[in-house]
Parts: sequence; C-alpha cells; structure tokens
Amino acid sequence: NAGVMQNPRHLVRRRGQEARLRCSPMKGHSHVYWYRQLPEEGLKFMVYLQKENIIDESGMPKERFSAEFPKEGPSILRIQQVVRGDSAAYFCASSPLTREGYGYTFGSGTRLTVV
Amino acid sequence: SQELEQSPQSLIVQEGKNLTINCTSSKTLYGLYWYKQKYGEGLIFLMMLQKGGEEKSHEKITAKLDEKKQQSSLHITASQPSHAGIYLCGAAPTQGGSEKLVFGKGTKLTVNP
Repeated sequence: NAGVMQNPRHLVRRRGQEARLRCSPMKGHSHVYWYRQLPEEGLKFMVYLQKENIIDESGMPKERFSAEFPKEGPSILRIQQVVRGDSAAYFCASSPLTREGYGYTFGSGTRLTVV
Repeated sequence: SQELEQSPQSLIVQEGKNLTINCTSSKTLYGLYWYKQKYGEGLIFLMMLQKGGEEKSHEKITAKLDEKKQQSSLHITASQPSHAGIYLCGAAPTQGGSEKLVFGKGTKLTVNP
C-alpha cells in the first residue's frame, strides 16, 4: 500500500508562471489536507478537501491559490502567477475518516522554487 | 487562535544521552500529534495523545500529555544518530469540526556520534 504520493518532488517556476502540485492520497483515504512550510515559519494549514468538496480553505491566500480534489484522480494545488514569496515546501496529508485516532499520513512534499 | 510553542528550538546531544522536547499550547489540547521530519523529506507520524495524563512509547521515544492538556513532552532515551531530525508537535484547535492541525515551529535535534 503506497503512502501519500506527491509530485513533482521539486518544481522550479519563473515569476508569473503557474505551478501545479499533485497529491494522491493513500488508498482508501478520502480526506486530503494541504500545508505549506516556509523557512523559519513552521507548517501552516492551507486547505482541507474531501472528494469534490472543499471543507475548509481558511488558510488559503485569497488570490492566485486554488485547490481541488476531483472524483477521479489526484488532488491538485494550483498557484497562478507565482511570485518569489511562494517558494516553499508544500505538503499533502490524507486520512481515512476523521483524524480521531488515525492521525494523518504525510507525503514527502513538493519543493517549489520561484526564480 | 491556538498557538504551539516548542522548546528548545534546537538541541545538540552526544550519542547515548537522554533528551526532552516540550510543546506548550495556548489553549486546551484536544489531540496532540508528534511528527519527525528529516531534511528534504515528509513528516513521519510518531504518536498521538488525547487524554490528560496519557503516555505512549515507541522504541526509545516516550510522549506524555499533561493532566491539564496544555503541554506535551517528548523524551528520547539513549539517543542515536538516527534520531536526528526536526520534531514537530501538531494539535487540533477544536474538538471536532474542521480537521486542520496547528503546528509548532519544530525542534531541530542533532545527535553527535
């Protein structure tokens, strides 16, 4: 049973380009969470999704960022018109039901560098 | 909003020594998670604590949640170089509801052979 799969592992984008980060949850997991880790700032929650539904996007920047978790396929975190401040490690986690007693399983992350 | 403060921020120990990392919450903890992160990698789940006074162990790592549920400690016995990494505590800010976690900034552990 593969863990949470994120790709790409590393992504380099020029300012103004779009970045697409993919996350395939563990088999049987229907809840996906995205977190961003900025240097010296720790891990910050961005968005929580279930299949075809955004449950909590309170941590998402209002502009340029969007997330989806379609019925089929991976969850996608999309960043439009990237700026240097978007450079960070983006982690995806998944869980089977609620977090109670299960914890999350994290992927290895996508490291985005904006040049 | 809930905040988690970890101490120390970094720690350097000799192999074989014991060490403790603390995680203090500004509010009651409804679930406290400990993760380990190696540089350039994802987070590895260590333990989850829910009940005040609860203590869990895995190999040489023991985590406790105090009775008032506002502080947790992670203790490593006879540390090894393989224990090196960044230890993160994460907490659920509410009982039920959204499942997001709030994380501390991490404690960087170096174990010298």
